[in-house]
Amino acid sequence: DVKVTQSSRYLVKRTGEKVFLECVQDMDHENMFWYRQDPGLGLRLIYFSYDVKMKEKGDIPEGYSVSREKKERFSLILESASTNQTSMYLCASSSRTGGLLDTEAFFGQGTRLTVV
Amino acid sequence: SQQGEEDPQALSIQEGENATMNCSYKTSINNLQWYRQNSGRGLVHLILIRSNEREKHSGRLRVTLDTSKKSSSLLITASRAADTASYFCATRTGGFKTIFGAGTRLFVKA
Repeated sequence: DVKVTQSSRYLVKRTGEKVFLECVQDMDHENMFWYRQDPGLGLRLIYFSYDVKMKEKGDIPEGYSVSREKKERFSLILESASTNQTSMYLCASSSRTGGLLDTEAFFGQGTRLTVV
Repeated sequence: SQQGEEDPQALSIQEGENATMNCSYKTSINNLQWYRQNSGRGLVHLILIRSNEREKHSGRLRVTLDTSKKSSSLLITASRAADTASYFCATRTGGFKTIFGAGTRLFVKA
């Protein structure tokens, strides 16, 4: 079974702290994604990566950065946490078939981050 | 606004009934996917339908796609209490981005 593992289920951090959210996948997937999920807004893409050391901004990258030094690991960094970053964060990965068309995403269990 | 928007936002039915959820989107797509999310968990992929397909089945799930109306529907037949979850449609427009809607919350009463 494909497994996407996020390092924490729940996190509480203080305003201004630097926060690291880690995600590891074991299926040798090329693509990895970070989303945040807020009530009524669905999932919004923060950043994605299609290869090691490659990253692309999603729809809401402000206040976040990412790191992908190894294929299996994709880290989301909150440079200076703020209360409006309180949210559920979901990591996902997918493989890249020849046509990019038929690739389902596999999700981690989510990290519920509270910034106080 | 969301690329994929589900309708209704919430649905409550009795066990054994069918549940239908709809998704509308705005731009051309490569494929459309449906996911399920149990409370407080990650999303689980249910079914993918390509832009050149009109209908697809998987067990008790039936998905239709109407590209002329830019809409899709997910039908769950003979629902069970275990189907209680949020359901999201997601569209793939090209490249690497998959865009999710806000979801439909389904509650199946035993």
